[in-house]
Amino acid sequence: GDSVTQTEGLVTLTEGLPVMLNCTYQTIYSNPFLFWYVQHLNESPRLLLKSFTDNKRTEHQGFHATLHKSSSSFHLQKSSAQLSDSALYYCALTGGYKVVFGSGTRLLVSP
Amino acid sequence: GGIITQTPKFLIGQEGQKLTLKCQQNFNHDTMYWYRQDSGKGLRLIYYSITENDLQKGDLSEGYDASREKKSSFSLTVTSAQKNEMAVFLCASRDRGTEVFFGKGTRLTVV
Repeated sequence: GDSVTQTEGLVTLTEGLPVMLNCTYQTIYSNPFLFWYVQHLNESPRLLLKSFTDNKRTEHQGFHATLHKSSSSFHLQKSSAQLSDSALYYCALTGGYKVVFGSGTRLLVSP
Repeated sequence: GGIITQTPKFLIGQEGQKLTLKCQQNFNHDTMYWYRQDSGKGLRLIYYSITENDLQKGDLSEGYDASREKKSSFSLTVTSAQKNEMAVFLCASRDRGTEVFFGKGTRLTVV
């Protein structure tokens, strides 16, 4: 079945440094939707980015990601981390009705 | 816009008890989901429903039942609560081709 892999459970960074959170996936669908969700403390996950177009960069709130079907990847990046970026980040995939999430990466940004 | 309402917000049960969690959405979305969130394990799909009276098992369906009697509502039953179980259950909905929207969650504690 479909699966999403986020290899880092925890990423710790100093403010101002670049952010990269990894996401790879496996799916039977040739045109999957990929998503990044962000969850702040005591809140529900909310959409950060989405894409279904191969090799096209998508951006929102300073974050960006590019879907690469050749490597089944959808890594999340930001050029300069802010304290307010500290949160739990989920990568997710759908090709039909079922939506599968990764195990999440907690990003902690310190001064 | 719309909203997903989950009740109750907090649920304390006893070992072996049958417990029901409720979810209502006014997005008019066809598909609804129940996810379980445990620290370090991400969001795991319990059940989903693509339309009224439809039920599809997710990866974590054992120990749970679900019911979708109306398009707007989707309930989840823990058939026999496990001692020391603690998790957040998130209800979500979407239309095909769009992202998932989440409710605020029900936090379950079993004593």
